[in-house]
Amino acid sequence: KQEVTQIPAALSVPEGENLVLNCSFTDSAIYNLQWFRQDPGKGLTSLLLIQSSQREQTSGRLNASLDKSSGRSTLYIAASQPGDSATYLCAVLYGGATNKLIFGTGTLLAVQP
Amino acid sequence: EAQVTQNPRYLITVTGKKLTVTCSQNMNHEYMSWYRQDPGLGLRQIYYSMNVEVTDKGDVPEGYKVSRKEKRNFPLILESPSPNQTSLYFCASSLANRDEQYFGPGTRLTVT
Repeated sequence: KQEVTQIPAALSVPEGENLVLNCSFTDSAIYNLQWFRQDPGKGLTSLLLIQSSQREQTSGRLNASLDKSSGRSTLYIAASQPGDSATYLCAVLYGGATNKLIFGTGTLLAVQP
Repeated sequence: EAQVTQNPRYLITVTGKKLTVTCSQNMNHEYMSWYRQDPGLGLRQIYYSMNVEVTDKGDVPEGYKVSRKEKRNFPLILESPSPNQTSLYFCASSLANRDEQYFGPGTRLTVT
């Protein structure tokens, strides 16, 4: 069964700290992996998309890595700010007949001022 | 502005009363899909559409219908809503099914 897991479910850090969010997936036959941010009561905002052939992607203070062989991705946030507080979701697009996007249940991040 | 829009944003209805949630995108995307988000279960795909007139079931299609008569619109239809369809619904689109997905703001549906 194709599953995506995110640990921890919640994380609280002081402002300015660097942090890493984890995502693991059970099947390495993926097309791509996408990280999203979701604010309370809001939609999902795409942060980074990593294709299966790539090892990492960077956007500003965010860096996402992908290791297909171990079934893992990390989202690194540098110099965290209170405005980074949100739920971060990892989603994996698997190949095959379904081309289905499978989401993890997210990590709720709180950055304390 | 490139975006995915959904209407209504909030809806409270009663069991059995047919409803439609609209979704529209202005990015000329081929691929569109619907998800529902429930606590502890994450987002699950309801239906998707690879292109106009092409739709297929996702993981949780029971109780839902969709249509794709035009590229920009992908409405979600609940013919006879039930309380277990109370959820937060998201529409998404992408250039093709393997590209970056863009999500709408969500529709919070309550069925009593």
